Amino acid sequence: DQQVKQNSPSLSVQEGRISILNCDYTNSMFDYFLWYKKYPAEGPTFLISISSIKDKNEDGRFTVFLNKSAKHLSLHIVPSQPGDSAVYFCAASVNAGGTSYGKLTFGQGTILTVHP
Amino acid sequence: DGGITQSPKYLFRKEGQNVTLSCEQNLNHDAMYWYRQDPGQGLRLIYYSQIVNDFQKGDIAEGYSVSREKKESFPLTVTSAQKNPTAFYLCASSSGRDYNEQFFGPGTRLTVL
Repeated sequence: DQQVKQNSPSLSVQEGRISILNCDYTNSMFDYFLWYKKYPAEGPTFLISISSIKDKNEDGRFTVFLNKSAKHLSLHIVPSQPGDSAVYFCAASVNAGGTSYGKLTFGQGTILTVHP
Repeated sequence: DGGITQSPKYLFRKEGQNVTLSCEQNLNHDAMYWYRQDPGQGLRLIYYSQIVNDFQKGDIAEGYSVSREKKESFPLTVTSAQKNPTAFYLCASSSGRDYNEQFFGPGTRLTVL
């Protein structure tokens, strides 16, 4: 039962253009969402997050959009740079009630390749 | 430098042997986690611990065991009961202020022959 899905295994974009990575979830209890970035042979690093009380959060070149009715979130990278080439994971958690303790559910990941 | 260390980076074991993966953090984080990553799949939570001497099963705890005797250490034992132990194992930690923002170690790739 895949509660968080990233249906695009890979994405290829040109340097300077926009990268859009998508993520869908099925569990309506999820109320906090994160994106992590992972380079080969390294652990993931936190990129950006959004609470379900918002529909957008921006941090420099990275913006996350949340559509609760569609149970969909997306990560926009503008402009894309070759150094952004990595695997991107979306993750979700249930924080209501204060008992999550960081129990994250991850998607399968999307490999982003940014060409110079 | 603060961070999370996992050792070794690569580990080979014979089928039927137990093996323990090390995870140490000097970030003074309360919570620690173990995840498993398989090709084409996301990270799946094995065990997590919010405080010393306490831990909970994650989504795929069968065949694994952990201990949390010290705040900075959270070793994972892959037992012979784990049917498919070959995988990439990641340890993470987070502070009590924000459990969701987790800091990951570099991982250990375990291959069972």
